[in-house]
Amino acid sequence: EIVMTQSPATLSVSPGERATLSCRASQSVSSNLAWYQQKPGQAPRLLIYGASTRATGIPARFSGSGSGTEFTLTISSLQSEDFAVYYCQQYNNWPPNTFGQGTKLEIK
Amino acid sequence: EVQLVETGGGLIQPGGSLRLSCAASGFTVSSNYMSWVRQAPGKGLEWVSVIYSGGSTYYADSVKGRFTISRDNSKNTLYLQMNSLRAEDTAVYYCARALPTRYGNWYFDLWGRGTLVTVSS
Repeated sequence: EIVMTQSPATLSVSPGERATLSCRASQSVSSNLAWYQQKPGQAPRLLIYGASTRATGIPARFSGSGSGTEFTLTISSLQSEDFAVYYCQQYNNWPPNTFGQGTKLEIK
Repeated sequence: EVQLVETGGGLIQPGGSLRLSCAASGFTVSSNYMSWVRQAPGKGLEWVSVIYSGGSTYYADSVKGRFTISRDNSKNTLYLQMNSLRAEDTAVYYCARALPTRYGNWYFDLWGRGTLVTVSS
């Protein structure tokens, strides 16, 4: 089973600033990496798939990069609605598709 | 509107059974890969099971032999039958549509809001 490790666990950033979230895989997952956003009491929402492709309706301020074992989600200018928990997920080796433990993005 | 709505959660004693339902609207369940993902209180996401459009099913090791995924095409609904429930099965259970790539792997492009299952005496 591939283990996904996200860092940091909590990230404090001011609105309007850039946020950079990291995700590392225990072995290569090629570009088979997705990012999800989850707000309290809400369903997770797909942001990025294929490591760098934005899902339908996702604003351009969200971008993904990386391949192999190291991945990054960048939010270029944080809006109030972006403060949430973010999960990465690999879908290269399955079952199971595995998720990271999440990064909580909070207002500084 | 394209959406998924889960029902059927609740409080159940260890060893008991429960069936979760996921009603889909705006698309056809049987034409898609459909999955269940759970989230224990304060924890991350854990994939549970998937059913392919062709009917093949797969399970996480933690639920294999105890949980069964199925669908009712006439009702456009996905199910998760959970037997021999344990305290560690306590979680919010999400229904999700899994979008396959050309390589046969898949990620989740649509999620429901989830239903809480609590296993406790």
